Order: sequence, then structure tokens, then C-alpha cells
Amino acid sequence: QKEVEQNSGPLSVPEGAIASLNCTYSDRGSQSFFWYRQYSGKSPELIMFIYSNGDKEDGRFTAQLNKASQYVSLLIRDSQPSDSATYLCAVPSGSARQLTFGSGTQLTVLP
Amino acid sequence: DGGITQSPKYLFRKEGQNVTLSCEQNLNHDAMYWYRQDPGQGLRLIYYSQIVNDFQKGDIAEGYSVSREKKESFPLTVTSAQKNPTAFYLCASSSGTGRNQPQHFGDGTRLSIL
Repeated sequence: QKEVEQNSGPLSVPEGAIASLNCTYSDRGSQSFFWYRQYSGKSPELIMFIYSNGDKEDGRFTAQLNKASQYVSLLIRDSQPSDSATYLCAVPSGSARQLTFGSGTQLTVLP
Repeated sequence: DGGITQSPKYLFRKEGQNVTLSCEQNLNHDAMYWYRQDPGQGLRLIYYSQIVNDFQKGDIAEGYSVSREKKESFPLTVTSAQKNPTAFYLCASSSGTGRNQPQHFGDGTRLSIL
């Protein structure tokens, strides 16, 4: 069983809509969670992290964490074509907090 | 500007050849990591290092080797034992291992077989 799973998509939403990206994880001891955005051909860039149950908002991005159900989601409000990318969920583990990544969800925002 | 520099951006390997990918950071970060990404896949951990002169194998270390002689440098060697080396290689670093310490990535190196 994969440790971090994401809906692989591809996911398409119209410009201005809310995009919802989901991630589930298997380790109940996981304490923090990261969302990275990766444009085609580029390296991942950190956009959000969350470690407390509930919501965390940063501009148009909201991360939601539910530890009891072991899922974390990322909402993108007022989606823009520039949000079109692959979004990677990552969970740190081990002594060096090495990241375990999901396979990513490819998002396309249609103008 | 502080950051992580990977070189070269593109690299080609001949049969039976070892190649070395460079990763340098000037962020004064203690921890450094190497990941491999195959098309349409997430990232998989190859090696990581928490301090100078110490490193640990990740999930897919076979066919790779690393060194950590300086805090700012963590080169990765892809040996001839790695039979399927074609991938996008990403180096990352973080300032510590606390739960809120994110990893930041370099721009990556694309390796292909000639």
C-alpha cells in the first residue's frame, strides 16, 4: 500500500472556479503535510504546509487537514490558468524528515 | 541570492559510464536530499544527509552513491550499476528536521542514456 495517495486526475476546472485536490496518508503518526506545485519541466515549489487539524488559508489557497480520517486537501479559489500544474502532496517521516510524495494531481484551469 | 544550484541542467550517460550530478547550497542548511522523478510519477528518495560526513540510503539507493564532505555540497554519482538512469534528479535541502521545516528544491538535472 502506498503511503501517500492522491487522485491522479487529470483535473480540469474553468477559470474562476474552485479546484479541490485531495491526499490520503497511511501513517497515523504523521504530524505535518506539505503541498508543492510543479510546473511542467520545472522543480517543485512549496506553496503550503499544515500541521494542525482544520483549515489554513494563504491567499487563494486553503489547506484542510483531518487527522482522524487521514486526509489533507488543497483548495484553490478563483482558479487561474497560471495555476495549471501538477500538485504534489508530501509527508515527512523518519529521523531526517525525508519526504514521501504522492504521485501528484495534474490540474488544468481552462480560460 | 541564497539558493540551491544543480548542475548540469542536462546530462547524457554512455553505457558503462559513471556520472556525477552536482548540488550546492548557500542557505547554511544542515540536511540535504536527492530525489528521482520519473515521468508522471512523484518523487522517490535516493539518499539523504543530516550532517557533514554522514548520509543514509533512501528508498532507491541501489546504483547510486553520494558524499558529504562539505556542508554546502552533496554530489550524487549515478554508477553503471544503475540500469535505468533516465530520469529527472532533484536535490533539496532544509534547515532542520523539525516538523515545520520545509524542503526547498534546486532546478534539477535531466539525465538520459546515449
